[in-house]
Amino acid sequence: EVQLVDSGGGLVQPGGSLRLSCAGSGFTFSTYWMSWVRQAPGKGLEWVANIKQDGSEKYYVDSVKGRFTISRDNAKNSLYLQMNSLKAEDTAVYYCARLNYASGRSFDYWGQGTLATVSS
Amino acid sequence: QSALTQPPSASGSPGQSVTISCTGTSSDVGDYNYVSWYQQLPGKAPKLMIYGVSKRPSGVPDRFSGSKSGSTASLTVSGLQAEDEADYYCSSYAGSNNWVFGGGTKLTVL
Repeated sequence: EVQLVDSGGGLVQPGGSLRLSCAGSGFTFSTYWMSWVRQAPGKGLEWVANIKQDGSEKYYVDSVKGRFTISRDNAKNSLYLQMNSLKAEDTAVYYCARLNYASGRSFDYWGQGTLATVSS
Repeated sequence: QSALTQPPSASGSPGQSVTISCTGTSSDVGDYNYVSWYQQLPGKAPKLMIYGVSKRPSGVPDRFSGSKSGSTASLTVSGLQAEDEADYYCSSYAGSNNWVFGGGTKLTVL
């Protein structure tokens, strides 16, 4: 069974940093693109970032470029999101998701989400 | 990277059919057959319901179907059931390794 478990959220002041983690199991982690998608409280979903299987390609939504860094450790079946220079508008539940190119480039499995709150 | 446009709400009685639209542009929905739909129950993570415009993952009831015409995609839920009450989001590949979501539609089963 495919499982993604998100962790690392919490309360941080504006301008601060947070590192989110996602542990994958039940599939060959190293053969899939992986993504982060966020959802502000009471709002819709927003794609944040993608990373290729070997980490050689990374893509970001414009609003986080230069502040967020997506990375992975295939030996640990883990995905990360380093978030720096955080703003109030970054407050959201962050989901890691598996991006499946064979399934119409869809996000076919999701973690349970971890809440990052940016507030003074 | 503008969000796709969905109606904020939709509703139907048990057994009826309801269709949710998702309007994009010629740079996303209109240019790629990479539209997917997600169901989100309250307090839960999204679940993939449709991918590649009209394909259903294993385990998704055939009451759920998807289609596309031009820059507008649609999700139809036939034979509505109480358990279908949820938020539904569309998503499309938007080129250059970017993805875009719709604002979401709250489906109410009357």
